[in-house]
Amino acid sequence: KQEVTQIPAALSVPEGENLVLNCSFTDSAIYNLQWFRQDPGKGLTSLLLIQSSQREQTSGRLNASLDKSSGRSTLYIAASQPGDSATYLCAVLNSGGSNYKLTFGKGTLLTVNP
Amino acid sequence: DGGITQSPKYLFRKEGQNVTLSCEQNLNHDAMYWYRQDPGQGLRLIYYSQIVNDFQKGDIAEGYSVSREKKESFPLTVTSAQKNPTAFYLCASSIGQGRAEAFFGQGTRLTVV
Repeated sequence: KQEVTQIPAALSVPEGENLVLNCSFTDSAIYNLQWFRQDPGKGLTSLLLIQSSQREQTSGRLNASLDKSSGRSTLYIAASQPGDSATYLCAVLNSGGSNYKLTFGKGTLLTVNP
Repeated sequence: DGGITQSPKYLFRKEGQNVTLSCEQNLNHDAMYWYRQDPGQGLRLIYYSQIVNDFQKGDIAEGYSVSREKKESFPLTVTSAQKNPTAFYLCASSIGQGRAEAFFGQGTRLTVV
């Protein structure tokens, strides 16, 4: 059974700092890994999708890397801003026969202080 | 606008009642998912469907039921057998192939009163 772990559970940083969020997974036979952002009481917003054959993806100040063989991914946020405060979730997609299942970590709660 | 619509945003249920949460998508996605989110628990998969008229149980399906009669709709019924239904429920969809990105609705908060 796939298990996804995110470290740290919470992180508080001053504005402008660069930061790294970590995600690890136990079953390396994944199709892709996705990073999401969730604001309080809201749904999930997709940030970055990394296919299993890729090493990294970038979008603006965000960079996500994937090391499938070691079961690890990182989300790098450059020059953090108060608006980046949210919970960040990673999820991996596995196949169970013909069905595809997305498994989530518990998230990292990020607070960026002005 | 293309997207996933969940309704209602807030729902209150009395003990012993069944309630149905709506999830509609106009993205032409084959796969749809229901998750439950509790504080400190992360997202847990309730049911998922890869095609019309077919669905599978996720990790916590007991006390829930679904149907997939149309490609764009995947309603979730929380039955009276679900002993602790108070939670935030999220619906998602994807193209359905192994390389596809998942998109989420804005969620329904269900409270037992």
